[in-house]
Amino acid sequence: EIVLTQSPGTLSLSPGERATLSCRASQTVRSTNLAWYQQRPGQAPRLVIYGASSRATGIPARFSGSGSGTDFTLTISKLEPEDFAVYYCQHYVSSARYTFGQGTKLEIK
Amino acid sequence: QVQLVESGGGVVQPGGSLRLSCGVSAVTFSSYAMHWIRQAPGKGLEWVALIWYEGDIAHYGDSVRGRFTISRDNSKNTLYLQMNSLKLEDTAVYYCAKDLLGWGAFDIWGQGTMVTVSS
Repeated sequence: EIVLTQSPGTLSLSPGERATLSCRASQTVRSTNLAWYQQRPGQAPRLVIYGASSRATGIPARFSGSGSGTDFTLTISKLEPEDFAVYYCQHYVSSARYTFGQGTKLEIK
Repeated sequence: QVQLVESGGGVVQPGGSLRLSCGVSAVTFSSYAMHWIRQAPGKGLEWVALIWYEGDIAHYGDSVRGRFTISRDNSKNTLYLQMNSLKLEDTAVYYCAKDLLGWGAFDIWGQGTMVTVSS
């Protein structure tokens, strides 16, 4: 079973700064099946990135995803107040195995 | 824009049963694979189950296999989750989510419904 480990657990930044969130897989995974979600307090998760680097519908251009193999990154180029939330990476393998990372909390410094 | 609305959550005793529903506002509901995903209080996300377009194929997470059953009624644009033999650790917000075809991701989520298993 593939385990996704996100780091850091908590990231404290100020609006306008650049955020870099990491997701590491326990073994090589297909980039096409790596996604990122944003979850604000009291809300459902929202798809931000799919296929490791494709922005979902309605997601601003300041969000970008990259990576391959076992290391993936979500970057937010210039933080807006609404970007402070918990972010999860997620992976899928055939035979319907879906796993999530434990999440990174992005908080206002 | 497709919208998902869950219902059916509540408080149930250990060993009890509950059925969740997810109404989908989409003419093409039968074209989507659908999922249930849950989140225990203060915890992360856990995938629960998947059902394919016509409802003939379903898959489950290890923690619910044999106790939960996912189903759908395409004539009613509704997804279901029948939960039996509930355990304390099944306490969570349950989300239905639409599958993003070909990418293994979940592109549209409902607002969630809370299930509490307590004696």
